[in-house]
Amino acid sequence: QVQLVQSGAELKKPGASVKVSCKASGYTFTSYGLNWVRQAPGQGLEWMGWINTNIGNPKYAQGFTGRFVFSFDTSVSTAYLHINSLKPEDTAVYYCARESTTGTLGFDSWGQGTLVTVSS
Amino acid sequence: SYLLTQPPSVSVAPGQTARITCGGYNIGSRSVHWYQQKPGQAPVLVLYDGGGRPSGIPERFSGSNSGNSATLTINRVEAGDEADYYCQVWDFSSDHYVFGTGTKVTVL
Repeated sequence: QVQLVQSGAELKKPGASVKVSCKASGYTFTSYGLNWVRQAPGQGLEWMGWINTNIGNPKYAQGFTGRFVFSFDTSVSTAYLHINSLKPEDTAVYYCARESTTGTLGFDSWGQGTLVTVSS
Repeated sequence: SYLLTQPPSVSVAPGQTARITCGGYNIGSRSVHWYQQKPGQAPVLVLYDGGGRPSGIPERFSGSNSGNSATLTINRVEAGDEADYYCQVWDFSSDHYVFGTGTKVTVL
């Protein structure tokens, strides 16, 4: 069955970096786009952007340019979210979510989420 | 930027019908997706493109979309439907996805 399994919770100090992984299984990795969604504590869902797992070409939402980097490694069917220069306001659960290439079927599979806590 | 507005909360008795609205300019011309999120869990897609149901989603979940409002309807509400619900659309002007503000459904 389709699964997206994310890496475990992280506790980081301000200014540090973090890399969240999202390992896909049960489908052809390059046949679906990979989105990233942030959810701050007690808040709603916020789309961060997506990456085309065929050609790359990451797209970042407003507010997620500069310090946020999407990448992937097709050899291990894994996508990555890299956040640099962490700030306390980056504390959130980060989700990866699969999307069909048609873009009309929604995010049909989600990772379990990775809690990133930024605190001194 | 494009905004999607949902009521913060909806309360419904078991067996009754819950209707969750999602307001946005000309949303009737867009493809709307809906997600259910239970506490401590990842969101789950319950409707895509306005009314399509992914495998495993009961027929009790349906959707409609017209003008400036989309609606997720849950018939014969069960205790297990208690969750936060989010609508989502693609905003062509900004080339971004947008999520609604979210609605907490409480089953009385």
